[in-house]
Amino acid sequence: QLQLVQSGAEVRKPGASVKVSCKVSGPMFSPFDINWVRQATGQGLDWMGWLNPNSDNTAYARKFQGRVTLTWDSSTSTAYLELFSLTSEDTAVYYCATSDGYDDNWFDPWGQGTLVTVSS
Amino acid sequence: DIQMTQSPSSLSASVGDRVTITCRASQGISSHLAWYQQKPGRVPKLLIYRASTLQSGVPSRFSGSGYGTEFTLTISSLQPEDVATYYCQKYNRSPRTFGQGTKVEIE
Repeated sequence: QLQLVQSGAEVRKPGASVKVSCKVSGPMFSPFDINWVRQATGQGLDWMGWLNPNSDNTAYARKFQGRVTLTWDSSTSTAYLELFSLTSEDTAVYYCATSDGYDDNWFDPWGQGTLVTVSS
Repeated sequence: DIQMTQSPSSLSASVGDRVTITCRASQGISSHLAWYQQKPGRVPKLLIYRASTLQSGVPSRFSGSGYGTEFTLTISSLQPEDVATYYCQKYNRSPRTFGQGTKVEIE
């Protein structure tokens, strides 16, 4: 099964951007999507978007469009989420999770999460 | 976009009770529904996919049912280790929306 390891916690000032990584290891014989989900403290799970490393196709949640970019580095099997124009509302734990890239897109496994704190 | 609505938002039950959580989709999603369990401070964990298929390693007291717009997650006999927040999710098309969550506590 795939394993996902995310980068460490980040602190940013309002207006800045942040880039979170998600390194994928394990058998990558089949296509898969990398999904990104965030969770503010005490809140629910908020799907942000997905990227398919094979096709480079992406899809973003409407609320994040124009403010988030998902990319893939095939040389290191690492996915990246970059979020721009940060505000305090972006303070959250950010998770990556894989899905099969076809119809069966339930999320499993998940990365361990990356806390992003936005504070002046 | 299809909205996912869970009920109740929280519940408290006794050890051994049967617990049912409902998830409604604003439009039909066939059986493209998953359930996740998230314990405090932990990463979400897949419990059920395709509305009713139990993920490997998940205790058999968990079950899922439903099709189209109405789905349920049932815990047949609530255990102390089941204290968590449970989320449904539609995954057939983007957006892959989650329900708002149901917090389960022990009385």
